[in-house]
Amino acid sequence: DGGITQSPKYLFRKEGQNVTLSCEQNLNHDAMYWYRQDPGQGLRLIYYSQIVNDFQKGDIAEGYSVSREKKESFPLTVTSAQKNPTAFYLCASSRGLNNEQFFGPGTRLTVL
Amino acid sequence: RKEVEQDPGPFNVPEGATVAFNCTYSNSASQSFFWYRQDCRKEPKLLMSVYSSGNEDGRFTAQLNRASQYISLLIRDSKLSDSATYLCVVNMRPLYSSASKIIFGSGTRLSIRP
Repeated sequence: DGGITQSPKYLFRKEGQNVTLSCEQNLNHDAMYWYRQDPGQGLRLIYYSQIVNDFQKGDIAEGYSVSREKKESFPLTVTSAQKNPTAFYLCASSRGLNNEQFFGPGTRLTVL
Repeated sequence: RKEVEQDPGPFNVPEGATVAFNCTYSNSASQSFFWYRQDCRKEPKLLMSVYSSGNEDGRFTAQLNRASQYISLLIRDSKLSDSATYLCVVNMRPLYSSASKIIFGSGTRLSIRP
């Protein structure tokens, strides 16, 4: 079955630590995205990648970093520079940039 | 003014009712439009794309009004399982840019009561 997976589902980290969220897709999609969602809020774009080895900042990239070494994978690192990292993180992919996006199940990050 | 605006609701309607909500967008050069459904603490799932001529999928009908810059979603014969947040998504091209961007609305909460 084709799909998009994220791990872990829940993640707890201590303040000051970096943490990496995984996102993998086997849909053969070129474009991948990372969003952040806070309670009662809409999705905000962190980073996106249109093609392997290329990625662009979204609206709230500060304190985050990404890589796109493989088409299937787009990991997100939440660094200690991110001031308020507790949120629901969603990864998505699409066939082409800004076509219909398909989402992974998300990772809930809590900073203790 | 937000680029994509939705009434946050909640809309609380009885089972079997028809409910409709709109989403307005600010950029007249917007190219494509989608409705997503998001259940509590879950990821958004694509409900339907919105075409210029309007489209229907079972009990769901989506319409696009380019002149007034809004899209709508109509749900007929609502079911308890329709309770969710409905996200409006617009693919728009900002002024002075050749690159498009996807903007998500904040969502409209719908609650169907027995």
